[in-house]
Amino acid sequence: DQQVKQNSPSLSVQEGRISILNCDYTNSMFDYFLWYKKYPAEGPTFLISISSIKDKNEDGRFTVFLNKSAKHLSLHIVPSQPGDSAVYFCAASAGGNKLVFGAGTILRVKS
Amino acid sequence: DTEVTQTPKHLVMGMTNKKSLKCEQHMGHRAMYWYKQKAKKPPELMFVYSYEKLSINESVPSRFSPECPNSSLLNLHLHALQPEDSALYLCASSHKPHNSGSNVLTFGAGSRLTVL
Repeated sequence: DQQVKQNSPSLSVQEGRISILNCDYTNSMFDYFLWYKKYPAEGPTFLISISSIKDKNEDGRFTVFLNKSAKHLSLHIVPSQPGDSAVYFCAASAGGNKLVFGAGTILRVKS
Repeated sequence: DTEVTQTPKHLVMGMTNKKSLKCEQHMGHRAMYWYKQKAKKPPELMFVYSYEKLSINESVPSRFSPECPNSSLLNLHLHALQPEDSALYLCASSHKPHNSGSNVLTFGAGSRLTVL
């Protein structure tokens, strides 16, 4: 049973445009959500997070939106840059207990 | 030092071999983790150590044996593995143990294991 789902295996975006990565979850006990980025031959790197008491968190070019009623979150990257090309993992936890990852979305930013 | 270092980067072993994966961090983190990742799948939690004590074992087979000699080191001892155990093994650490609120993990680059 996949509690965190990233239904788009890949996404291709032109440099300078917006990238939107989506994530759905099923466990209503999740209260903290994170996005990680992974380059080949490297471990996942923390990008941005959001608590369930918020619906938006912004950090530079990266913004995460949370829609609790729809059990959906999204990561917006604007403007997208070629260096953003990587695998993006959505992750969630319930009270900090056990981080559950989605399968990841490969983002390709074309120059 | 903001890194988690894993060795070896690549390991090939036979089903009768005994080998170990090593992980080290010097960030003062008191929680350390082992995750397993198969191709095109999400990382899956195996073990969590909190203050050098095993706090979570996700029903991992006994052919995987974790060890936390001190707060900076985490080992994963491997014995009698199967070919289906071939995967990327990721070590991570965090300031807080899993059950202490919001928790950001810092990951190592992983050890790519192939079991023949």
